[in-house]
Amino acid sequence: AQSVTQPDIHITVSEGASLELRCNYSYGATPYLFWYVQSPGQGLQLLLKYFSGDTLVQGIKGFEAEFKRSQSSFNLRKPSVHWSDAAEYFCAVGSAEGYSTLTFGKGTMLLVSP
Amino acid sequence: EAGVTQFPSHSVIEKGQTVTLRCDPISGHDNLYWYRRVMGKEIKFLLHFVKESKQDESGMPNNRFLAERTGGTYSTLKVQPAELEDSGVYFCASSQGYGETQYFGPGTRLLVL
Repeated sequence: AQSVTQPDIHITVSEGASLELRCNYSYGATPYLFWYVQSPGQGLQLLLKYFSGDTLVQGIKGFEAEFKRSQSSFNLRKPSVHWSDAAEYFCAVGSAEGYSTLTFGKGTMLLVSP
Repeated sequence: EAGVTQFPSHSVIEKGQTVTLRCDPISGHDNLYWYRRVMGKEIKFLLHFVKESKQDESGMPNNRFLAERTGGTYSTLKVQPAELEDSGVYFCASSQGYGETQYFGPGTRLLVL
């Protein structure tokens, strides 16, 4: 069965510092990979996705993620964090062979300190 | 273009009562999904509609949950009778095609007392 692990429940980063959120997945087939963000009081917003091709994908709000098949990882990065990035971040996996369901990690809560 | 909308945004009910959640997908999206996040746990899949048909309902927890999508437009998710463990956030998502990106609504926060 597919699974997603986000090992960090909470992360605190200083404003202006770089950010990396970790995501590891377990999936027997070729995965589709996603990062979603949920800001306080808001719904889930798609940040970026990987389906195929270039393993470094660019998303909205200055985020990027790199797919590393050998490590079963899809870590999210941002070079300089803004206070407005404080939110909960979810990594998810779906099947490239056609999927109806997404499997999510437990989420990582990002706190941004001044 | 309007996104996925959900109603109500919050609901507080007592154990044993009935609650109906509504989801309006993005116009033209045939695929509609329900997910749930119980406090402290992952967001988990409940079911998937293609138009008005249930494509996959493997995630529905028990027969107290009933989802419908009459006419293939909006969907409702009814919980009857509600139990304490049903508390959580219920998300709806839609996609244009099968296997395409799912766009999520803001969720309905359900609290069963």
